[in-house]
Amino acid sequence: NAGVTQTPKFRILKIGQSMTLQCAQDMNHNYMYWYRQDPGMGLKLIYYSVGAGITDKGEVPNGYNVSRSTTEDFPLRLELAAPSQTSVYFCASRREGGATNEKLFFGSGTQLSVL
Amino acid sequence: AQTVTQSQPEMSVQEAETVTLSCTYDTSESDYYLFWYKQPPSRQMILVIRQEAYKQQNATENRFSVNFQKAAKSFSLKISDSQLGDAAMYFCAYRSDTNAGKSTFGDGTTLTVKP
Repeated sequence: NAGVTQTPKFRILKIGQSMTLQCAQDMNHNYMYWYRQDPGMGLKLIYYSVGAGITDKGEVPNGYNVSRSTTEDFPLRLELAAPSQTSVYFCASRREGGATNEKLFFGSGTQLSVL
Repeated sequence: AQTVTQSQPEMSVQEAETVTLSCTYDTSESDYYLFWYKQPPSRQMILVIRQEAYKQQNATENRFSVNFQKAAKSFSLKISDSQLGDAAMYFCAYRSDTNAGKSTFGDGTTLTVKP
């Protein structure tokens, strides 16, 4: 059971470049989330999804986009990368229904630097 | 919107002693869930303990326990018999019972364990 898989683990971008951070989960979780963690700070919600075809903005969505064409995959797209997007990005998922205190399952994170 | 405040950016404890990490939150909801996550240098997010707001009894998990004061909106984490492996950043998180169950994180407390 792989859980939540994020790729790549590290990436350096030049200002203005674009890239997609991949996230996949094999637990059939409906709920998926993208967070960013700036140095010494907590996690801020970028985007989330409650199921295939349904996405919504979190606290800090500017400069990002997402799609959810399948239950398993939830890619995060960065368009026109800026230094302010230098951060660690975490994808997370959780089960819908059942015990609603289900924990979040996190990927191992993507360290992104924009220079 | 909910907010989570961790007022101690850094804490230290002697090995085998007890330490308490503070967390307060602000919400107008009556049903919600609270979590403590541990993030070691590996960056992986690890669930330490969770508490349902409707439960009066404080949650415990081995050496970890919480002091949940719903009226005061306080949720502190007590680590007993501290071990070197407890050294990490600890995040307090609030999860709504509605609104896609989005989680809000505090900025974290870095715990150092001295041998």
